[in-house]
Amino acid sequence: AQSVSQHNHHVILSEAASLELGCNYSYGGTVNLFWYVQYPGQHLQLLLKYFSGDPLVKGIKGFEAEFIKSKFSFNLRKPSVQWSDTAEYFCAVTDYNNNDMRFGAGTRLTVKP
Amino acid sequence: EPEVTQTPSHQVTQMGQEVILRCVPISNHLYFYWYRQILGQKVEFLVSFYNNEISEKSEIFDDQFSVERPDGSNFTLKIRSTKLEDSAMYFCASSGQGASTDTQYFGPGTRLTVL
Repeated sequence: AQSVSQHNHHVILSEAASLELGCNYSYGGTVNLFWYVQYPGQHLQLLLKYFSGDPLVKGIKGFEAEFIKSKFSFNLRKPSVQWSDTAEYFCAVTDYNNNDMRFGAGTRLTVKP
Repeated sequence: EPEVTQTPSHQVTQMGQEVILRCVPISNHLYFYWYRQILGQKVEFLVSFYNNEISEKSEIFDDQFSVERPDGSNFTLKIRSTKLEDSAMYFCASSGQGASTDTQYFGPGTRLTVL
């Protein structure tokens, strides 16, 4: 079964710093990849997704992610974070054989003003 | 923009009681899901539902759990006899196509507290 690893449990950055959150998955077949964000007290919102095509995916709020198939990775990046990016970020995977979505453990991002 | 809605936002119940969590998926979506998130842990898949039947379920989704689409708009999760360890945030999601080809949109969640 597929699994998703997010290696950073808690990341603390100052405003304007660059961000990269790691995500690795274990499934060897064709996958769909997602990053969701959960702001404090709010529900999961889709940041970006990869199904096929250009492996560099741009999402909302200046976020992007790069699918590197050889590394089974889908890292999330943002060149300059803002205080309002403080949230929990979840990487998730679906594959072509199942109707479930597997989530990583999440990375809590704290951006200091 | 259409949204998935869930009620109640917070449910407190006594151990052994039955609870029903309600969800209204996005209206033209055909696939429905339940997930849970125990405090401090990852979001875990419970079940997916399509064409009035369960299409996938995880090992968490045992006989204490059931899902139903009682009418054209609601999608419910029932826990027959709640346990302390059922305390979690429960998220409903829906998608137009199956999870393998489409994005799931999540509701705001129901926080279930079992005393």
